[in-house]
Amino acid sequence: DTAVSQTPKYLVTQMGNDKSIKCEQNLGHDTMYWYKQDSKKFLKIMFSYNNKELIINETVPNRFSPKSPDKAHLNLHINSLELGDSAVYFCASSHPGGYTEAFFGQGTRLTVV
Amino acid sequence: AQKITQTQPGMFVQEKEAVTLDCTYDTSDPSYGLFWYKQPSSGEMIFLIYQGSYDQQNATEGRYSLNFQKARKSANLVISASQLGDSAMYFCAMRAGFQKLVFGTGTRLLVSP
Repeated sequence: DTAVSQTPKYLVTQMGNDKSIKCEQNLGHDTMYWYKQDSKKFLKIMFSYNNKELIINETVPNRFSPKSPDKAHLNLHINSLELGDSAVYFCASSHPGGYTEAFFGQGTRLTVV
Repeated sequence: AQKITQTQPGMFVQEKEAVTLDCTYDTSDPSYGLFWYKQPSSGEMIFLIYQGSYDQQNATEGRYSLNFQKARKSANLVISASQLGDSAMYFCAMRAGFQKLVFGTGTRLLVSP
């Protein structure tokens, strides 16, 4: 059974389009995250939700809108895609607090052309 | 604010030898967790090992051990008896309390036969 699954794994789209990435976890975790990994492999948090409530919102363009319909799901919608949005996007989940590891999905490689 | 520093962009090791990947951290919070993740060329993020700030002993998981030196704020990963499959990017990360999981820039490890 996949613990954290995100779809799609690959996404190629044109500039200006709107796209969504879906994430689901079956670990019973309360906290979910979206991370962006750039071409230099740097991982930066974008958003964090705890029990469907947004708790971390880093400096991310408002073209990015997360949505958590329940604590097992956290989706990411991106409007008006730009070339600079090309990256790998990771969903992750954990129990809240600093003493537990986060489990990551397999990543979505987004390419904007 | 939390900060993780990995000063080794790349490391080389021969198969069956041990290797140490460096990680230093900075936080003013007395309670925190330190994590190491492996990212192989296939792209997924694999949790390896965890160390809590109040843990008295260094964490070990199979061939992985974490050399935790609290006074020096370092949390180095030691991989014993390297295998070809250990070739990957390795990320050190930390979380203090309920804050975000912050990653270092990573170290690319190459294991040669």
